[in-house]
Amino acid sequence: GQQVMQIPQYQHVQEGEDFTTYCNSSTTLSNIQWYKQRPGGHPVFLIQLVKSGEVKKQKRLTFQFGEAKKNSSLHITATQTTDVGTYFCAGTNDYKLSFGAGTTVTVRA
Amino acid sequence: DTGVSQDPRHKITKRGQNVTFRCDPISEHNRLYWYRQTLGQGPEFLTYFQNEAQLEKSRLLSDRFSAERPKGSFSTLEIQRTEQGDSAMYLCASSSTLQGGYGYTFGSGTRLTVV
Repeated sequence: GQQVMQIPQYQHVQEGEDFTTYCNSSTTLSNIQWYKQRPGGHPVFLIQLVKSGEVKKQKRLTFQFGEAKKNSSLHITATQTTDVGTYFCAGTNDYKLSFGAGTTVTVRA
Repeated sequence: DTGVSQDPRHKITKRGQNVTFRCDPISEHNRLYWYRQTLGQGPEFLTYFQNEAQLEKSRLLSDRFSAERPKGSFSTLEIQRTEQGDSAMYLCASSSTLQGGYGYTFGSGTRLTVV
């Protein structure tokens, strides 16, 4: 079955620095979605990427879908304490999302 | 509040007991999903409804688990003869086939502890 893997599992970032988290699928995806889960909270939808090579930006967050539609990345610039949480990518080939294990981000002030 | 509601928020039960959770999705959403999440892991798919029809159930789910969505509105997830390994956060989510690109809306979850 479809497997989605994320690296790194943990990301410790100094406030103000940039970082990137990566997502890889064992199969070609129809689309990929990104979610953020704050500590003690539930996953909240951030964005969906559909087209090969697509790049979307949300303020300091940049999302990219690979040319082969098997990988994706999330880049955060000038990290803030509000960026703390776990970021999940989730791939789908139809209606069902398969989530990665997430990248848990902590920020040093 | 037009979000996804789940009840109860927390449930502690003794091993062997049956438990039932409820999910009220966003009313305009025709798809409803149940996921399970354990510490340090991403949500794991359990089952999926489109309107009142249950279209897929995870092969990881034993026969002790059953879900319903009568009339295509709210949904219930029942676990019979609970085991300690069932302890997890049970998340419900909904989405609409008519609103592409908006992802799933998750509820706050029901945290189950089996003692």
